[in-house]
Amino acid sequence: IAGITQAPTSQILAAGRRMTLRCTQDMRHNAMYWYRQDLGLGLRLIHYSNTAGTTGKGEVPDGYSVSRANTDDFPLTLASAVPSQTSVYFCASSVSGTSANEQFFGPGTRLTVL
Amino acid sequence: GQNIDQPTEMTATEGAIVQINCTYQTSGFNGLFWYQQHAGEAPTFLSYNVLDGLEEKGRFSSFLSRSKGYSYLLLKELQMKDSASYLCAVRDSNYQLIWGAGTKLIIKP
Repeated sequence: IAGITQAPTSQILAAGRRMTLRCTQDMRHNAMYWYRQDLGLGLRLIHYSNTAGTTGKGEVPDGYSVSRANTDDFPLTLASAVPSQTSVYFCASSVSGTSANEQFFGPGTRLTVL
Repeated sequence: GQNIDQPTEMTATEGAIVQINCTYQTSGFNGLFWYQQHAGEAPTFLSYNVLDGLEEKGRFSSFLSRSKGYSYLLLKELQMKDSASYLCAVRDSNYQLIWGAGTKLIIKP
């Protein structure tokens, strides 16, 4: 693989269910991010990780959790999905979280919560 | 609060030039990014400005004025494939990106 992959591509989920969105990068980037994108709004940061073993909260972290056990993987978990979490979710990575590096984005996961 | 403003939608003609403006108010400034996003796809990096002035990259140029909290993206010799949304993002004092809602650019033949 090259770049960032996300799985699944799309998912329809019943409210109250638990769901994990997967994200893997093979660029050995230190920093990784999870965003949600909703119509009419800019990308909003959910959680981030500047290096393996550390995570931080973004602008809209409630209802989501992340882990960063290694450099490559950064899964996002919805513990109990609600309809307001219907969105397109993008994972991104960058060489560093604190320098002038652009972020590279995965293809996104389209999630619908009913 | 932090705010990034850009026009919602713009229309331009193939072969012409278009300028997409972005104004920002953020807590701190550590650079401004422009990304392109085609419908249904991921954003892709276009340009980065951290000092005042113009950065040129082929048909695309980006300008920054930090004192005015203002940037623009200039697209020349427009092609149909340039139809996309253009996202402005500012890196704040915490090195997090604050994103505008994006400008949808429609190119007409």
